[in-house]
Amino acid sequence: SQTIHQWPATLVQPVGSPLSLECTVEGTSNPNLYWYRQAAGRGLQLLFYSIGIGQISSEVPQNLSASRPQDRQFILSSKKLLLSDSGFYLCAWSVRVSGEQFFGPGTRLTVL
Amino acid sequence: GNSVTQMEGPVTLSEEAFLTINCTYTATGYPSLFWYVQYPGEGLQLLLKATKADDKGSNKGFEATYRKETTSFHLEKGSVQVSDSAVYFCALISGGSQGNLIFGKGTKLSVKP
Repeated sequence: SQTIHQWPATLVQPVGSPLSLECTVEGTSNPNLYWYRQAAGRGLQLLFYSIGIGQISSEVPQNLSASRPQDRQFILSSKKLLLSDSGFYLCAWSVRVSGEQFFGPGTRLTVL
Repeated sequence: GNSVTQMEGPVTLSEEAFLTINCTYTATGYPSLFWYVQYPGEGLQLLLKATKADDKGSNKGFEATYRKETTSFHLEKGSVQVSDSAVYFCALISGGSQGNLIFGKGTKLSVKP
């Protein structure tokens, strides 16, 4: 069966510090991968998606970036965090571009 | 553009009450529709889905019917339990998209014993 992991589960970082969140998927090959952010009272916002290694599409301009160094690994990064980067970050995967997505447990990021 | 509109919460019900969470959508083509549930502190779980008009998705006592004529996908459950307390998200994937889920803002449900 397929599983999706995210870490860390929680993170508290000062403004201006770097960020690296990791997501890995097991039990499937060549998944489509997604990063979402859930900010308080604002629902879910798609940040990045990837249909293959090294292929990243960005949905919104921001100071975050994403990379996919391996087939089942998706990384969300920032060089300098802002207060507005606080939120709950969710990674997801899907088999088909138009199919349902399966979510990881999320990372709660607090920027102080 | 594509969008999903959900009834605003929070919704507070007593155990065994009937639940309806309204969801309407705007989309080009024939989207697939989903309900996701998020329990406190956790990620999202797919609750049910429907991929074409008049399909009924069902799971764990929850149901939703894809109504193309009213562009709706309302979530219902006949008898809620305390364990159903969570945030519920309606979502769609348009056939013309890159597979990006478009979410509603979520509806928080609290069920009291």
